[in-house]
Amino acid sequence: GEDVEQSLFLSVREGDSSVINCTYTDSSSTYLYWYKQEPGAGLQLLTYIFSNMDMKQDQRLTVLLNKKDKHLSLRIADTQTGDSAIYFCAESFGGGYQKVTFGTGTKLQVIP
Amino acid sequence: EAQVTQNPRYLITVTGKKLTVTCSQNMNHEYMSWYRQDPGLGLRQIYYSMNVEVTDKGDVPEGYKVSRKEKRNFPLILESPSPNQTSLYFCASRLTGTVLNYGYTFGSGTRLTVV
Repeated sequence: GEDVEQSLFLSVREGDSSVINCTYTDSSSTYLYWYKQEPGAGLQLLTYIFSNMDMKQDQRLTVLLNKKDKHLSLRIADTQTGDSAIYFCAESFGGGYQKVTFGTGTKLQVIP
Repeated sequence: EAQVTQNPRYLITVTGKKLTVTCSQNMNHEYMSWYRQDPGLGLRQIYYSMNVEVTDKGDVPEGYKVSRKEKRNFPLILESPSPNQTSLYFCASRLTGTVLNYGYTFGSGTRLTVV
């Protein structure tokens, strides 16, 4: 079955790097995603990685995928107060109309 | 502007009083879905629809109904709300098939309280 787990909370100082971790259980996952939810808003897609990739970089964001350990991470370089939000990882799997399963979310607090 | 619009944003109701939360998207997406968000549980899928007149249960469908009569609209219906349905609800839509990398577009959410 599918299950996506994240730690619930992370606190970092402004300017430091943040690393948010996620583990998933379905080895047939095709895409893995990171979404950001700001207070009072819906989720916004931050980035995604295809399951045959190990790493993807997009400006301050770096996604690392370890398929052997079913571990996904999101690194935010030079973390800013505007990065304070809840971050969800999600996986999609299955053929055709693929189901997307979300993790529990990690609340990132950036301390000025 | 491409968006998913949910209404209302906030709703307080009493147990047993039927309600509908509306959802509309303007991106011609085939796939639409309803999620509920609860602390410590993340997002759980209630129902989804792969296209007009095609709907199916997600992980937590009990107590909910949906319909998909038009491509753009996907209302969530609570026939007899109960306090355990107090939650934050999100509607989302996306393309299907090989363009899954685009991910979901989410609405702004509906905070429902059932007393």
